[in-house]
Amino acid sequence: EVQLVETGGGLIQPGGSLRLSCAASGFSVNSNYMTWVRQAPGKGLEWVSVMYNGGSKYYADSVKGRFTISRDNSKNTLYLQMDTLRAEDTALYYCAYGSYGSGKGVFHIWGQGTMVTVSS
Amino acid sequence: EIVMTQSPATLSVSPGERATLSCRASQSVSSNLAWYQQKPGQAPRLLIYAASTRATGIPARFSGSGSETEFTLTISSLQSEDFAVYYCQQYDNWPPGWTFGQGTKVEIK
Repeated sequence: EVQLVETGGGLIQPGGSLRLSCAASGFSVNSNYMTWVRQAPGKGLEWVSVMYNGGSKYYADSVKGRFTISRDNSKNTLYLQMDTLRAEDTALYYCAYGSYGSGKGVFHIWGQGTMVTVSS
Repeated sequence: EIVMTQSPATLSVSPGERATLSCRASQSVSSNLAWYQQKPGQAPRLLIYAASTRATGIPARFSGSGSETEFTLTISSLQSEDFAVYYCQQYDNWPPGWTFGQGTKVEIK
């Protein structure tokens, strides 16, 4: 079964760090591309970061310089290292998988998300 | 940044009726436009990509049209399971700076 499972969310103080994980099953995280999308409580979707199979990484301006996307092929897991967290980073973080066959930014498979709350 | 604007914010429709959702881009995104459905407490689900191509397993009552700056998602005959929030997303710009619309909530009339 094709599945994505996010973990690592929690309550963190402003300025703190957190690492999210996204474990994939049924496909390889180093095939095509993987992305992180977040959703603040009661709000819409915001794209955060993408990593392509060749290793290229891109970030939204709102997180550039603070967040780092990476993967461990041996664990078939995608990560999002989040540093210098701010209150506005509070959101449900989804990882998602995309296929080049439908374009470079289309997200076919989504996890259920992990909640990050930044508050003192 | 390409701004995506969806209208209306809320659409009240009776089961069996047709629903038409709009999405406008602040600049041309060619046909690099996707639609997602999100139900309460669930992750988004891809419905349409490349403006008009249905994703795997999506019923034929969902259809997408448009190009450049004006796009439409049509649900031909609303079923109970279609009441949800729908988002459009552009994936045209490079390097990626992909953006979503603010969503249209389709509710039971």
